[in-house]
Parts: sequence; structure tokens; C-alpha cells
Amino acid sequence: GAGVSQSPSNKVTEKGKDVELRCDPISGHTALYWYRQSLGQGLEFLIYFQGNSAPDKSGLPSDRFSAERTGGSVSTLTIQRTQQEDSAVYLCASSLFQGKETQYFGPGTRLLVL
Amino acid sequence: SQQGEEDPQALSIQEGENATMNCSYKTSINNLQWYRQNSGRGLVHLILIRSNEREKHSGRLRVTLDTSKKSSSLLITASRAADTASYFCATDARRGNEKLTFGTGTRLTIIP
Repeated sequence: GAGVSQSPSNKVTEKGKDVELRCDPISGHTALYWYRQSLGQGLEFLIYFQGNSAPDKSGLPSDRFSAERTGGSVSTLTIQRTQQEDSAVYLCASSLFQGKETQYFGPGTRLLVL
Repeated sequence: SQQGEEDPQALSIQEGENATMNCSYKTSINNLQWYRQNSGRGLVHLILIRSNEREKHSGRLRVTLDTSKKSSSLLITASRAADTASYFCATDARRGNEKLTFGTGTRLTIIP
């Protein structure tokens, strides 16, 4: 069956531009996460969606970051006015019901801000 | 230190040897999971151990959990070059919200 997919795989942008990253979770998974991983570092939690509940945005580093999840499925992470420090791999994961369960990760989007 | 810290940060061993990685955490947990990551891409779930379990096996993997010491270990036996990856533990805090907290990872290199 299809796993979690993310697009684009790689994104190069200029400082100050906006970018949108997309995540397609596994069908039927109600929980969806976004993480950020800088080179050689661990995972930094960004935002969590669970069903129709209000998302947990506690990990978003600034108001330039936002995310939506439409229809309980596809999610987009938007970074406005990108900065060089936003360069990282952005990983999406989904799980069947709760985020505490096994998470299934997408391949990530590697973002480079010049 | 953060919830879920692995040590060592990096480990290099010869192919065929056993590799042991450790994870320490701070708060009481419901379960602890180990994940593997190749080349900075998506993580793959390896094994989940619940707080009432002490040891779990999956193929060449053996995970132990000591809740009194708030620590876990991941043992990979008879290592192969293909085991080269980063390994992360993730904890589900008993009093936490619906999130896993990932550690900083151990970078394992298997030398052929």
C-alpha cells in the first residue's frame, strides 16, 4: 500500500520567498505530524494534527510558519519570507489514531534557502 | 538534557560485531520506540516496547527497557554494512500530550 508521500523532494529558494511543502499521509490515518531536521541533528517537532481537534502548534519556531490540513488528509506547511536558517529537511509523519503510536514517515523535503 | 537522549552520538564497528546504543529519558512513559534513518531522509519504525515489558526481540534487534533507570538499549547483532544509519529513540510521556519526543540519535557506521 502507499506510504506517506511528500513533495517536492527538494526545494531551493531565495531568501525572502514563500514556500509550500506538501504531505499526503497514509489513507485513514487521523494523526499527522511535521518535523524539522537540520543537518546531523535530531527531529524538531513543529505541529501536530489529530482528527478534527485544534492542531498543536507549540513547535512552530515563528509566525512565519503555518500549516493546514484540509479534509483530514493532505497537509501543507507554509514558510513565509524564508530565511537561511530555515534550510533543513522537513519530515511529515502519520499514525492511525494517536500520535503516540507508531509513526510512518515520508521521505522528507530538503529545503535550501540561498 | 532533553527527553530521549541517545548515546553514543556516533559508533563505528566492524561488520559482524554487535552494536549497542542507549537511550535515556526523564519522565514516566507509556512506551518507547526505536527508529532508523538512512541518509537524512524519512525514519523507519523498528520496534516498540511498552512500559510493562523488559525485553523485546525482532530479528537481529533486541531492545531492553529499564523503567527504574529510565533507560533503554538497542542491540543489533551480527551487524551488516546495510545497518549503517542513524538510530533514534522516541518516548511517549505518560503525562504528556499526544506526541512522541525524539532523541538526538546515534550515528552507526559498519565498516565492511
